[in-house]
Amino acid sequence: QKEVEQNSGPLSVPEGAIASLNCTYSDRGSQSFFWYRQYSGKSPELIMFIYSNGDKEDGRFTAQLNKASQYVSLLIRDSQPSDSATYLCAAYPPYFGNEKLTFGTGTRLTIIP
Amino acid sequence: DTAVSQTPKYLVTQMGNDKSIKCEQNLGHDTMYWYKQDSKKFLKIMFSYNNKELIINETVPNRFSPKSPDKAHLNLHINSLELGDSAVYFCASSQEMGLASDTQYFGPGTRLTVL
Repeated sequence: QKEVEQNSGPLSVPEGAIASLNCTYSDRGSQSFFWYRQYSGKSPELIMFIYSNGDKEDGRFTAQLNKASQYVSLLIRDSQPSDSATYLCAAYPPYFGNEKLTFGTGTRLTIIP
Repeated sequence: DTAVSQTPKYLVTQMGNDKSIKCEQNLGHDTMYWYKQDSKKFLKIMFSYNNKELIINETVPNRFSPKSPDKAHLNLHINSLELGDSAVYFCASSQEMGLASDTQYFGPGTRLTVL
């Protein structure tokens, strides 16, 4: 069973600090990884994706990928109360006939004012 | 303006009934999906369609039948509803499945409650 694992949390971080969200995956064939944010009662919205080893930055968000360790992370700098949400990590192993996102169970993040 | 829309937003029904959920996307995408999110917030794919063709059919009871009349629409019909079908159902679309950068955009969800 191909899986994506995340710590369910809750993860509490003071406002202004760096929030670090982690994700591991079991399928070495996974080529790209997506981070979605989901507010309670809302739909998942894309934050960013990464498919090359290393870091990718977008504003206050940095995704990190280490394919050798099968590890993906999302850093949120200068955390704001509006960042409080559940963060979903997803892996995309686009094998022919199996082009689907596999989601982790999500990490609930709470930013404390 | 809405990119991916679903109707209805809420659906409350009795066990044994049949119901449908509709999804439409105006992004010009080729691929559409149905996901189920359970009470523990786990999001799992049910079906995907690429250009009206069924591509992925996960282990879903055959009481669930998707239908894609055209690239912009994907509907989900559920027969003989059971208590365990209660969940939030999300429709999503993406430009072209198979690309590593293919990004999925989600609709607002349909909260189904079976009594």
